Amino acid sequence: DAKTTQPTSMDCAEGRAANLPCNHSTISGNEYVYWYRQIHSQGPQYIIHGLKNNETNEMASLIITEDRKSSTLILPHATLRDTAVYYCIVRVAGSARQLTFGSGTQLTVLP
Amino acid sequence: GAVVSQHPSWVICKSGTSVKIECRSLDFQATTMFWYRQFPKQSLMLMATSNEGSKATYEQGVEKDKFLINHASLTLSTLTVTSAHPEDSSFYICSAQGQGVAKNIQYFGAGTRLSVL
Repeated sequence: DAKTTQPTSMDCAEGRAANLPCNHSTISGNEYVYWYRQIHSQGPQYIIHGLKNNETNEMASLIITEDRKSSTLILPHATLRDTAVYYCIVRVAGSARQLTFGSGTQLTVLP
Repeated sequence: GAVVSQHPSWVICKSGTSVKIECRSLDFQATTMFWYRQFPKQSLMLMATSNEGSKATYEQGVEKDKFLINHASLTLSTLTVTSAHPEDSSFYICSAQGQGVAKNIQYFGAGTRLSVL
């Protein structure tokens, strides 16, 4: 799986959009970008994934650059409950291998 | 999304006893389940991978005789920590991947916090 780079921490005001970047410059053509988050003392939660087109679901939007070397996870209206560590992971869809978690980005939503 | 149930969420045991943790996929068949361990302020580290009906594959440094994994059905995997010691105290998390909604997405349990006294 390709290596990813994320900022260590970010703050966001409650009600504003949170934009979390991720660099994955060595991504292969068949690898997807996955985002998970881990709220303190809980198991990771799947958020969204995509290959090359922008994706949106009820939780977030995923914007992938045209060269696919970076992406941004957008939480449109952050709430205090969105405070968590966010992980960007690159892998082949349907792979039976484990997820490799890096350090992630600690997002703190401020009141 | 799919649901993975992990039980118990929290367990305290005496040193030398064994503890069993269950991981169930509630709405899909999990052909592969993973067990992770997470120490405070660290990221998740894979312990082992189990495929239904097969022996688990353990990561380097994980004692297979101490951490017994059983994946006897497509919806249940168990992790038994045998002869637990204080250094085994950690946050244990399972995940599952399989068919249908979980074909391309790995879903996680809520985790089990183990404290060994």
